[in-house]
Amino acid sequence: DTAVSQTPKYLVTQMGNDKSIKCEQNLGHDTMYWYKQDSKKFLKIMFSYNNKELIINETVPNRFSPKSPDKAHLNLHINSLELGDSAVYFCASKGAGRETEAFFGQGTRLTVV
Amino acid sequence: AQSVSQHNHHVILSEAASLELGCNYSYGGTVNLFWYVQYPGQHLQLLLKYFSGDPLVKGIKGFEAEFIKSKFSFNLRKPSVQWSDTAEYFCAAFLSGGYNKLIFGAGTRLAVHP
Repeated sequence: DTAVSQTPKYLVTQMGNDKSIKCEQNLGHDTMYWYKQDSKKFLKIMFSYNNKELIINETVPNRFSPKSPDKAHLNLHINSLELGDSAVYFCASKGAGRETEAFFGQGTRLTVV
Repeated sequence: AQSVSQHNHHVILSEAASLELGCNYSYGGTVNLFWYVQYPGQHLQLLLKYFSGDPLVKGIKGFEAEFIKSKFSFNLRKPSVQWSDTAEYFCAAFLSGGYNKLIFGAGTRLAVHP
């Protein structure tokens, strides 16, 4: 069983479209994250949720809207896609307390054309 | 501002050479430290972690790292690299004390030639 799974793995879409990326974890973790990895491999934290509540929003454009229907899921919806949104998006989950590690999904490669 | 810095952006080694990748963090509170590896086209996998106790931690595949609190450093080492170690390496810090944020360095691309 995959611990953190993201769908889709690849997403190609036109500018201006709206798209969603789904993430699910079966580890029973309380905290989930979204990261954006740009073409230079830099990993930038976007959002963090703890038990379905948003706790970190790292000045991400409001075209990006995370939604957590339950603590096992953290989906990312992106409106009005722009060329600069092209990147690999990683979902991660982490257990409670500071002495736990984060587990990452396989990533979603988003290409906006 | 809290940050993680990796000094080497691109490292090229021959097989059997020794490896040391630098990592420094900037945060005055309690921090947990990690090294993750990303093989080409894959997701991040944990190499090793430091929470507390012995500052020298051993991870998978022969990697180790040393936490030096006075230098805010957590350098990654491997005595003898293999071609299969070719990957991107990320140092990360989990900032507690209200932040609950896991932040990453810019990554180091390691290329090992046979």
